Amino acid sequence: KQEVTQIPAALSVPEGENLVLNCSFTDSAIYNLQWFRQDPGKGLTSLLLIQSSQREQTSGRLNASLDKSSGRSTLYIAASQPGDSATYLCAVTPHQGQGAQKLVFGQGTRLTINP
Amino acid sequence: SAVISQKPSRDICQRGTSLTIQCQVDSQVTMMFWYRQQPGQSLTLIATANQGSEATYESGFVIDKFPISRPNLTFSTLTVSNMSPEDSSIYLCSVDQSGGYNEQFFGPGTRLTVL
Repeated sequence: KQEVTQIPAALSVPEGENLVLNCSFTDSAIYNLQWFRQDPGKGLTSLLLIQSSQREQTSGRLNASLDKSSGRSTLYIAASQPGDSATYLCAVTPHQGQGAQKLVFGQGTRLTINP
Repeated sequence: SAVISQKPSRDICQRGTSLTIQCQVDSQVTMMFWYRQQPGQSLTLIATANQGSEATYESGFVIDKFPISRPNLTFSTLTVSNMSPEDSSIYLCSVDQSGGYNEQFFGPGTRLTVL
């Protein structure tokens, strides 16, 4: 059974710092990995999707990497801003093959950027 | 990305009653997913709704408690039946509109409080 873990559970940093959020998964046979952002009481916003054949994806100040063999992904946020404060969730598609499938989520990292 | 709406956005309900949550997508999709997020927890899949067939429920979730309808390719409903305070959660629907790469997009969620 695929399990996804995110460390740390919470992180507080001053504005302007670069930071890394970690995600690990127990079964390396994933189809892809997706990073989301969730603001309090709201739905999820998709940030980045990494296919299993890819090593990284970039969007603006965000960079996500994937090391499938070791079961790890990181989300790098450059030059953090107070508006980046949110909970960040990673989720894997646990099975090979195309098509819509369920996601398995980590518990999330609650990020606070202090002005 | 998909434009997904949910109704209601939030509700406060009495124990023993039922609530039906609607999910509307701006384009046709084969599968829709319903997730639950209990307070302080990550997301757990309730069921997968495929148009024209019975929904597929995850372990721990049953049709009598969470009946789902999928009348067409852009709409689905989830009913939370005979509610108890333990059903207080955010309920989210999601779809894959990435052409089979399982990049999922989420609705804004329905925040349910059961008294």
